[in-house]
Amino acid sequence: DAGITQSPRHKVTETGTPVTLRCHQTENHRYMYWYRQDPGHGLRLIHYSYGVKDTDKGEVSDGYSVSRSKTEDFLLTLESATSSQTSVYFCAISESSGGPHHTQYFGPGTRLTVL
Amino acid sequence: AQSVTQLGSHVSVSEGALVLLRCNYSSSVPPYLFWYVQYPNQGLQLLLKYTSAATLVKGINGFEAEFKKSETSFHLTKPSAHMSDAAEYFCAVSEGRGYQKVTFGIGTKLQVIP
Repeated sequence: DAGITQSPRHKVTETGTPVTLRCHQTENHRYMYWYRQDPGHGLRLIHYSYGVKDTDKGEVSDGYSVSRSKTEDFLLTLESATSSQTSVYFCAISESSGGPHHTQYFGPGTRLTVL
Repeated sequence: AQSVTQLGSHVSVSEGALVLLRCNYSSSVPPYLFWYVQYPNQGLQLLLKYTSAATLVKGINGFEAEFKKSETSFHLTKPSAHMSDAAEYFCAVSEGRGYQKVTFGIGTKLQVIP
């Protein structure tokens, strides 16, 4: 199994509070991704990173920010959590950005509940 | 823009029966296609992928998928369902250019009835 950990695994917070989720990898993969998974929507990309300090927005980036100061860590921050951000969040990593060798490896997920 | 459509958010099969999960894609260039599986309370893991080397792709746990360009499809099949196949399955597409992202379908939950 790819070495990907997410912390925390479960979190309950209140509307308006800031929340930071952490993804840590031991594979030295260049690319990292944050997704959210919601019933009826599948996985939707929030942000991704193609190197240290290099990040870009995905399709559902509003209300989220990310940072990557080291290859191994990719942080997702909800500046002011809202109930619509209640979801399961997955981190993924890949060696390549795409093409025939592209495979994403997923972490175990973080279940976030915003009350 | 690339996209995938998974027909049927829930599929039920009897143990031992054929499994068929449908996926159709849209892409402006020849795509790379993937099937991922998610077991309860776990992250996704790669089941198989199409990289243009062969149209029939074999994956783990007895699954296979066939790329049909004329039908823009990449359906997932398994001849005989096992109870352990109960999971959610995601089809995904990548156009293979630059910093392109992988686009996932909404998923199909497979229930296996004993």
